Amino acid sequence: GAGVSQSPSNKVTEKGKDVELRCDPISGHTALYWYRQSLGQGLEFLIYFQGNSAPDKSGLPSDRFSAERTGGSVSTLTIQRTQQEDSAVYLCASSFTRDSYNEQFFGPGTRLTVL
Amino acid sequence: AQSVAQPEDQVNVAEGNPLTVKCTYSVSGNPYLFWYVQYPNRGLQFLLKYITGDNLVKGSYGFEAEFNKSQTSFHLKKPSALVSDSALYFCAVRDKGSSNTGKLIFGQGTTLQVKP
Repeated sequence: GAGVSQSPSNKVTEKGKDVELRCDPISGHTALYWYRQSLGQGLEFLIYFQGNSAPDKSGLPSDRFSAERTGGSVSTLTIQRTQQEDSAVYLCASSFTRDSYNEQFFGPGTRLTVL
Repeated sequence: AQSVAQPEDQVNVAEGNPLTVKCTYSVSGNPYLFWYVQYPNRGLQFLLKYITGDNLVKGSYGFEAEFNKSQTSFHLKKPSALVSDSALYFCAVRDKGSSNTGKLIFGQGTTLQVKP
C-alpha cells in the first residue's frame, strides 16, 4: 500500500517568507509526528497528533512554527517569517497508534532551504 | 533525561565481513528501542525494534540487534555486509516522559561505508 507522502520534496524560499509543508500519513494511522533533521541538531521531534486529541507541541522551536491536522488525516506544518536556521529536512511519520510497539513509518521528507 | 548515543560517526567495513553499529541508551524503566536506516535523499526506513522478549531481534535485510540491559546497549549487527548496506543508521528510543506521545529520541546517526 501507499506509504507516507510529503510535498513539496524541495522548497527554496527567501528569508522572511512563510512556507507550508504537507504530509499525507498512511491510511488508518491515527498518530502523526513531525521531525526536523539538520546537520547541527540531528533528528528532533517537533509536534505530535493523535486522533482528535490536542496536539503535543512541545518540540516546536519557536512560535513561528505551527501545525494542524485536518480530519485526522493530512497535516500541514507552517513556518512563518522563515529564518536561515530553519533550513533543514522536515520529516513526517505516522504509526497505527502511539503505543510503544508500533513503529513509525517515515515519509521522504521536505528539504527546506532559506536563502 | 532520556538519551541515545551512537559513539561512532562512521564505520568502515569490507564487503562480506561482519558489521556492528553501536548504540547505547539512557532511559528509566524498560526501553523500547528501534533502528532505522536512511539512504541518500530518502526518508527513514524501519529495520527492527525491541519491545520485550528475546534479546536478539531480527529485522529487515538480514540485520539483527542485541539488547543488553546490563550494558544499556542495542548494537546493530549483520553477519556479512553488502555494498548496498552503505547508508546512515539511526538508533532511537521511545520517549517515556509524562506526555506519553510515543515520540522517538534519536542518536546522532552512524554512517556505514561498505567497500568492495
